[in-house]
Amino acid sequence: NAGVTQTPKFRVLKTGQSMTLLCAQDMNHEYMYWYRQDPGMGLRLIHYSVGEGTTAKGEVPDGYNVSRLKKQNFLLGLESAAPSQTSVYFCASSASVSGEQFFGPGTRLTVL
Amino acid sequence: AQRVTQPEKLLSVFKGAPVELKCNYSYSGSPELFWYVQYSRQRLQLLLRHISRESIKGFTADLNKGETSFHLKKPFAQEEDSAMYYCALLGGYQKVTFGTGTKLQVIP
Repeated sequence: NAGVTQTPKFRVLKTGQSMTLLCAQDMNHEYMYWYRQDPGMGLRLIHYSVGEGTTAKGEVPDGYNVSRLKKQNFLLGLESAAPSQTSVYFCASSASVSGEQFFGPGTRLTVL
Repeated sequence: AQRVTQPEKLLSVFKGAPVELKCNYSYSGSPELFWYVQYSRQRLQLLLRHISRESIKGFTADLNKGETSFHLKKPFAQEEDSAMYYCALLGGYQKVTFGTGTKLQVIP
């Protein structure tokens, strides 16, 4: 099992460009999460999903959109990237709301 | 609003010394608390959760509702314990809130 995978690993964008980060899990987990990690800020929840076809806002959702069309995939979109969105993005999944979260390797995004 | 506070950004201890990583939380309901760890060049992973009341790699954590704390402790630090540690709280609306993390540095 690959667990949780993220695509791409690195990306550099110019201000105003758009992109989509893909998270995939092969553990049949219901719950999926997108976090951003910034120095001194820890992990902050952007959006999450409690099942296929559902999404919900987390702590810092502005400037991001998500979709969960398939149970195994959770996409994070940036419609118009800003330098403030330079960060490391982590995806995670869990079998239940109180279950262990399994994390992906992260995507390092730089917005110039 | 739910909040997790880890007051120390960096904690340096000598090998063999006791370790205590502090975590305080703010939540009006009954919390579920976790400790996650990220070793160098590895993924973030669960270390332990309070409902399990288990000891993992010699670490324990007790939920103190009176002090709203969930400090992580180990009696004798090992070099391989050096890592970034995050305290996390599962609160309302199925949201998980992470603290800002504490970097543990074990000095040989």
